[in-house]
Amino acid sequence: SQQGEEDPQALSIQEGENATMNCSYKTSINNLQWYRQNSGRGLVHLILIRSNEREKHSGRLRVTLDTSKKSSSLLITASRAADTASYFCATDSGGSYIPTFGRGTSLIVHP
Amino acid sequence: GAVVSQHPSRVICKSGTSVKIECRSLDFQATTMFWYRQFPKQSLMLMATSNEGSKATYEQGVEKDKFLINHASLTLSTLTVTSAHPEDSSFYICSAREFGGTYTEAFFGQGTRLTVV
Repeated sequence: SQQGEEDPQALSIQEGENATMNCSYKTSINNLQWYRQNSGRGLVHLILIRSNEREKHSGRLRVTLDTSKKSSSLLITASRAADTASYFCATDSGGSYIPTFGRGTSLIVHP
Repeated sequence: GAVVSQHPSRVICKSGTSVKIECRSLDFQATTMFWYRQFPKQSLMLMATSNEGSKATYEQGVEKDKFLINHASLTLSTLTVTSAHPEDSSFYICSAREFGGTYTEAFFGQGTRLTVV
């Protein structure tokens, strides 16, 4: 079963705008990771955030984690056409640390 | 982070043949490996979990005789799709984790695009 659920399922914006995607999960986690996947390609790791962290930055990416709400958000600032991709969150929990993926958000950035 | 190498990245095979996909951890000991499958425009679904030296644990609905997983060493796991059929065409991704190592999270390979014709 899927642990994380991304919202929205699809997002279409203009270049230069910010894109925000959310991920909700059901059980307590150890880690939450965000990935990007271009059409037909492999996963690109974006950011890992651990359960005791609340916010992390990497370039134009900002990830927040609210364990009380069991949710995380990924913000891409000043989006570019090259950011067009599917974005997935993956959580792992308990002692098994098995990564479980959400359905993903399909982001389209129009030039 | 640690590196997981998956090979091949793409493979086309004839219906009825078997295909082997390799997953290697390059700079850590992969005590546990995970295999995922992704259908077009869908998420990644866990197929099985394997611990080095043990039999793999398959998720419900995954045929263990069709998807043979071998995790004989701490750096290599293989997934063999036996008697492949067109419906087995999919994107397969492996992931590896080191128990008690530097990193708690799992790392992913780049995936294998399997096309059965």
